[in-house]
Amino acid sequence: DTAVSQTPKYLVTQMGNDKSIKCEQNLGHDTMYWYKQDSKKFLKIMFSYNNKELIINETVPNRFSPKSPDKAHLNLHINSLELGDSAVYFCASSQLGTGGETQYFGPGTRLLVL
Amino acid sequence: SQQGEEDPQALSIQEGENATMNCSYKTSINNLQWYRQNSGRGLVHLILIRSNEREKHSGRLRVTLDTSKKSSSLLITASRAADTASYFCATVAGANSKLTFGKGITLSVRP
Repeated sequence: DTAVSQTPKYLVTQMGNDKSIKCEQNLGHDTMYWYKQDSKKFLKIMFSYNNKELIINETVPNRFSPKSPDKAHLNLHINSLELGDSAVYFCASSQLGTGGETQYFGPGTRLLVL
Repeated sequence: SQQGEEDPQALSIQEGENATMNCSYKTSINNLQWYRQNSGRGLVHLILIRSNEREKHSGRLRVTLDTSKKSSSLLITASRAADTASYFCATVAGANSKLTFGKGITLSVRP
């Protein structure tokens, strides 16, 4: 009964490879997010989708492409991985318009690019 | 760009003591939220305070907001070893609910 789940939990890969991270939420929320947390624990938003539409797109290299097949899923595909992409990636979800804007986070995907 | 700045960056206290963490931000906000992150885990929402509120309580947590000084504080009373974690403040400004996080405070509660 996990609220926000991500797969895989750990991802170790070589530079130049393409990889995907999947996120699913069973909270019935209409908005999902991807965050990147660097080695100094600084968290920065990358993307947000509301009802499958992109609403936030921060300055992220276009090697990163989010895909939202439905409201409950937001996947992140990364092309041509670079060393600097090593980080922890968190997915989150929320329900806009409820006055709360509390975000619920997944457990994170630890990506290591060698 | 970074919005919230917490201080101190690290705090070590004895179990039973109170812990006070501060956060400052730069622009007008809709609300400010505090999250906790245990080592190797995701973030957990603790409390949200709106721009028109000054103080809020939730269990052992007390949050204050001073919009004139653009600052907030999180007080954890009667701390426990299980409170050991990183604490982040995050602000929401504008219509798209984007959370802008501070750098976080590492709290260690010694048993």
